[in-house]
Amino acid sequence: AQSVSQHNHHVILSEAASLELGCNYSYGGTVNLFWYVQYPGQHLQLLLKYFSGDPLVKGIKGFEAEFIKSKFSFNLRKPSVQWSDTAEYFCAVNAHGNTGKLIFGQGTTLQVKP
Amino acid sequence: DTAVSQTPKYLVTQMGNDKSIKCEQNLGHDTMYWYKQDSKKFLKIMFSYNNKELIINETVPNRFSPKSPDKAHLNLHINSLELGDSAVYFCASSHHRTGLSGNTIYFGEGSWLTVV
Repeated sequence: AQSVSQHNHHVILSEAASLELGCNYSYGGTVNLFWYVQYPGQHLQLLLKYFSGDPLVKGIKGFEAEFIKSKFSFNLRKPSVQWSDTAEYFCAVNAHGNTGKLIFGQGTTLQVKP
Repeated sequence: DTAVSQTPKYLVTQMGNDKSIKCEQNLGHDTMYWYKQDSKKFLKIMFSYNNKELIINETVPNRFSPKSPDKAHLNLHINSLELGDSAVYFCASSHHRTGLSGNTIYFGEGSWLTVV
């Protein structure tokens, strides 16, 4: 069965610090990978996605993620966080041929201190 | 214009009641979903419909019954509500694609259900 693991449950950073959130998945086949963000009291918004091609993908608001197939990882990065990045971040995996069934990680709460 | 809209956004109800959550998308997608987010913020798929046909049905109590009158609507009806049903329910939609083209899933704003 597929699973997604996010290593950091709660991250606290100061503004301008660099961010890296870990995400590993377990699935032997080809996958599509996503990072979603959920601001307090709001819905899930897509930050970025990887389907194929360049393993380094850039998303909105200065976020990027790198797919490392050999490590089954899709870590999220941002060079300099802002207070407005305070939110819950979810990594998700969708196996090819299993359309729509996103398997989510348990989420990482990011708190950015001004 | 809201792409995936759900109503109501907040719902407080007593145990044993029956309630419905409605969802509509104006993205022209052919596939719609219901996801549940529990109190620990864990998200899990419940159902998926493609062109009004049920294609994913996870292990969900049969008190939960989705209904899709057309491909732009997917409603969730819950019978005999229990305390454990308290959660945020997210509707979502996408095109039905597999493989390298993938499918990006767009979520609604969520419906906060509290059962007392």
